[in-house]
Amino acid sequence: DAMVIQNPRYQVTQFGKPVTLSCSQTLNHNVMYWYQQKSSQAPKLLFHYYDKDFNNEADTPDNFQSRRPNTSFCFLDIRSPGLGDAAMYLCATSKSNQPQHFGDGTRLSIL
Amino acid sequence: DQQVKQNSPSLSVQEGRISILNCDYTNSMFDYFLWYKKYPAEGPTFLISISSIKDKNEDGRFTVFLNKSAKHLSLHIVPSQPGDSAVYFCAAWANTGANNLFFGTGTRLTVIP
Repeated sequence: DAMVIQNPRYQVTQFGKPVTLSCSQTLNHNVMYWYQQKSSQAPKLLFHYYDKDFNNEADTPDNFQSRRPNTSFCFLDIRSPGLGDAAMYLCATSKSNQPQHFGDGTRLSIL
Repeated sequence: DQQVKQNSPSLSVQEGRISILNCDYTNSMFDYFLWYKKYPAEGPTFLISISSIKDKNEDGRFTVFLNKSAKHLSLHIVPSQPGDSAVYFCAAWANTGANNLFFGTGTRLTVIP
């Protein structure tokens, strides 16, 4: 089945230790997104790639970076995680002007 | 600033009855609205959508109504089934090409057998 796959499902890292979350898709969608969702809050868009073009939301901290080496893969890098970065991170994909398809998320914990 | 609001964090409905989930928005530039359903430990799954040029869209047991003048939309599920128990997110986008979604905080629906 075509889908959006996020690895790992659960990630634990230490305060200040860089961490990378990954997302892959078999849908061949041109747009890929990263969202952060904290408990009882709405998913919040961090950034997205429209094809190869990177689009950062204005309030996304500099601590968060992203890479999209090809159509299928997209990575979220957190350079120096703080306790406030503990959250569920959701990857999504879409074709232009079509509903987004989400992965099952990576729950990040910070020790 | 929350541009999409779901003011009811939870809703309980008896099996077979109608479930009505509500959503309000503030940005008049939104031109496409979506409902996503989320089970525990899974990502949101697209359920149904509506364009701003329509006031109703129906798909089986699910109907979404849009009232643009009130900046309000609702999702009706009838008849409700226990498998519908999940968190429902309302979302909206403005047609700028990148379809950045703005989400509400979700409503947890419990359908009681």
